Formats: sequence, structure tokens, C-alpha cells
Amino acid sequence: AQSVAQPEDQVNVAEGNPLTVKCTYSVSGNPYLFWYVQYPNRGLQFLLKYITGDNLVKGSYGFEAEFNKSQTSFHLKKPSALVSDSALYFCAVRDLNQAGTALIFGKGTTLSVSS
Amino acid sequence: DAGITQSPRHKVTETGTPVTLRCHQTENHRYMYWYRQDPGHGLRLIHYSYGVKDTDKGEVSDGYSVSRSKTEDFLLTLESATSSQTSVYFCAISATSGRNSYEQYFGPGTRLTVT
Repeated sequence: AQSVAQPEDQVNVAEGNPLTVKCTYSVSGNPYLFWYVQYPNRGLQFLLKYITGDNLVKGSYGFEAEFNKSQTSFHLKKPSALVSDSALYFCAVRDLNQAGTALIFGKGTTLSVSS
Repeated sequence: DAGITQSPRHKVTETGTPVTLRCHQTENHRYMYWYRQDPGHGLRLIHYSYGVKDTDKGEVSDGYSVSRSKTEDFLLTLESATSSQTSVYFCAISATSGRNSYEQYFGPGTRLTVT
């Protein structure tokens, strides 16, 4: 079965420090991977995606993610965290059992950046 | 949230009553989705549509129906609301071609409470 795991419910980091939000996946074919961010009382916003090509993907707001096929991981990273990065982050993979672009989401990781 | 609106944004209803949520897009995207978001579960797919009058079930479709009579509108109906359907409902749209292919864009959400 296809799935996405975010092993940490919460990640705490100090402003200015690098941050990593972890994601691992399980799919039967080539994965299409995504990261989304959700601010309080808002919908999800697209950050970045990996479909093919370079394993290091750059996205919005200075975020990047590294696709690692051998470890089946797609961790989200940022070199220097901002307080405004505090939000709920979701990793997702394209659901190959559904037509089109349906996604399977992880349960989310709350990122808290302290000043 | 640009290009996608949801109505109502908040609703309180009683157990056993039917409820319809509306999603409207101005992007002319072929694919539309309904998800529900619950703590500890992330987002789960309820139903999706791949064209006018073309819909299919997602992971948690029991108790829900959908309709799409126009490209821009996708309706979600709770046939007889139950307390377990108290949730935040998100609509999303996506394209399968072009630079933004496979990216989903989300509406602002509808918070539904069933008493």
C-alpha cells in the first residue's frame, strides 16, 4: 500500500538555525513527492515538488527538499529558520491508485521556530 | 487561495440533516478534490472529479456524495450528517499538464460542526 510517514509530530528550532522536517514514503512506482505548508486557519500552500530530475529541489520561501531513492525519503530543509516559518507542514505523494493527481498526505509536522 | 472559493466558510448543523458544501474555481482546471482534515490524520481524500459529471471515490467516501455539473463548481453533500463528520473540509484543484502539473491548490476550507 502506498503511504507517507512524517515521524515527528513537532520540530523545534531556534531562529537562524537550519531546520529539517522529515518525510519517508512507500510507493510501488516512481514517486511524485510534494511539500505543503499550512498557516493557522488557512488552506494548504504548495511549497515544492519532485517528479523527476535533480534530487535537490528548491521551492518557495527558501525551502528545499532532497529526494533520496535508496532511503525512500524526501526531507524538507532550510538553511536558516525564521519565526515566520512556524506552521504545519505536510508531505504528500501522488496516489497511483487514483486517476489524475490525487495525493496521499502524511499526518503533518508542526514546526515551531523560537526567537 | 486565489482562484478557489468555498462556501460556507463555517457551518453548524444538527445530526441527521443534509448539508451541501460548495467549491468554485476560476482556473478552469480539470481536476477537483474534496479532502477532510482531522487532527492526527492529516488530509484524507473524500471524492474527486476528473471532468464534468465524472467523479470517483476516495479513501473516506462513506456518507458523502458529490456532483459536478459545471467545470467551475464541485459540490460535496453529506446525506445525513453525523458527529463523526465534524471536520474541516478543503477543496483543491490541479492540472496535469504545464509547468504546474500535479500541483494541487487549496481553497480556504469550511469548518463544519455537527451537533
